[in-house]
Amino acid sequence: DAGVIQSPRHEVTEMGQEVTLRCKPISGHNSLFWYRQTMMRGLELLIYFNNNVPIDDSGMPEDRFSAKMPNASFSTLKIQPSEPRDSAVYFCASSLRTGRGYTFGSGTRLTVV
Amino acid sequence: AQTVTQSQPEMSVQEAETVTLSCTYDTSESDYYLFWYKQPPSRQMILVIRQEAYKQQNATENRFSVNFQKAAKSFSLKISDSQLGDAAMYFCASNSGNTPLVFGKGTRLSVIA
Repeated sequence: DAGVIQSPRHEVTEMGQEVTLRCKPISGHNSLFWYRQTMMRGLELLIYFNNNVPIDDSGMPEDRFSAKMPNASFSTLKIQPSEPRDSAVYFCASSLRTGRGYTFGSGTRLTVV
Repeated sequence: AQTVTQSQPEMSVQEAETVTLSCTYDTSESDYYLFWYKQPPSRQMILVIRQEAYKQQNATENRFSVNFQKAAKSFSLKISDSQLGDAAMYFCASNSGNTPLVFGKGTRLSVIA
């Protein structure tokens, strides 16, 4: 089991550019979560999916953020256009179900300059 | 909504000594779960220990144990025989059967040789 796989590990982009973060959950896990980690706000849930269906996206900060899960083995988080305040570490995590412990990916450190 | 509070931004412990990290939570759910995650400098989120609220017995994983006080809504983590590799950020988290993990702000643990 390779665990939750995120790519890229690091991303540096210019303000206004589109950024796409990718996640492959653990096979058989039905729930997928996107979190953002910053020094000021800690770990914040952005959106989560159950069986590929978005359940709660109330944590998505603005319309510039969107997430998709076209199948059970792949999810994307897109920021368009990106802004410097989006700089953070973005984690993807998966779980057998919502109310269990999660397995996290190694995160994507996003820097918007 | 669930909330998790960690009141100790930083802690330190001498190598081989014992340290306790504090966590309090609030929830209206009767069935919920509590977790401690470790985040070393590599930024990987690692599940340390898990406790089901309906279980009275405190969870233990090798040198890590919890003191779960349900009435007080307290869930502290005790690390025995501290090692240099225990230095990390520690996050307390909670969820219920149908809600995602909510994290505390974290406690940075330093281990002094």
